[in-house]
Amino acid sequence: QVQLVESGGGVVQPGRSLRLSCAVSGFTLNNYGMHWVRQAPDRGLEWVALIWYDGSNKWYTESVKGRFTISRDNSKNTLFLEMNSLRAEDTAVYHCARLVAARVPGTINYYYNMDVWGKGTTVTVSS
Amino acid sequence: EIVLTQSPGTLSLSPGERATLSCRASQSLSSTYLAWYQHKPGQAPRLLIYGASRRATGIPDRFSGSGSGTDFTLTISRMEPDDFAVYYCQHHGSSPPYTFGQGTKLEIK
Repeated sequence: QVQLVESGGGVVQPGRSLRLSCAVSGFTLNNYGMHWVRQAPDRGLEWVALIWYDGSNKWYTESVKGRFTISRDNSKNTLFLEMNSLRAEDTAVYHCARLVAARVPGTINYYYNMDVWGKGTTVTVSS
Repeated sequence: EIVLTQSPGTLSLSPGERATLSCRASQSLSSTYLAWYQHKPGQAPRLLIYGASRRATGIPDRFSGSGSGTDFTLTISRMEPDDFAVYYCQHHGSSPPYTFGQGTKLEIK
């Protein structure tokens, strides 16, 4: 059974740091890219970061560049999100999601979907 | 950066009724990279539709997606009690960033 379980959330003061983890099971992590997506209170989903299957490429949404770092330990089947210089606007439920690539029939293009998600871990940034 | 605008914000329906959700893009985009997700409070979001019209694995055929260019639609042919949730359209190009619409909430009438 494919499963993603996030942990590491909590209440933290502005300017402090927090490290989130996403433990995966039921599949081999090193075959997949992985995302972090967040949902602030009473807001919609917001993509945060993506790491390639081997960690060779990383992308971030503009508002977290220079503060957040996505990483992975494929040997431990775990994805991480290191969050520094936290702000009140980073308060959210953070989900990890698996990136699956599937060839578009008859083309050289690929679908890139978030096909499995975790339930999330809550981060609250408050003094 | 492409902005996705979903409408309506909230849709009140009874079980058995048809739901039509709209997602409008600020510029024309490739349907290859347009997806729809379902999200219930406290649960993991679920991929419903990818490539604008392809159902993900295990998704019932009452869910369908359509559209091209700037206008995309998610249709639920007959609402079931389990379908009341928030629905998001999502787009990405050949590389990030990924963009979500603001969501449409389907509530029981």
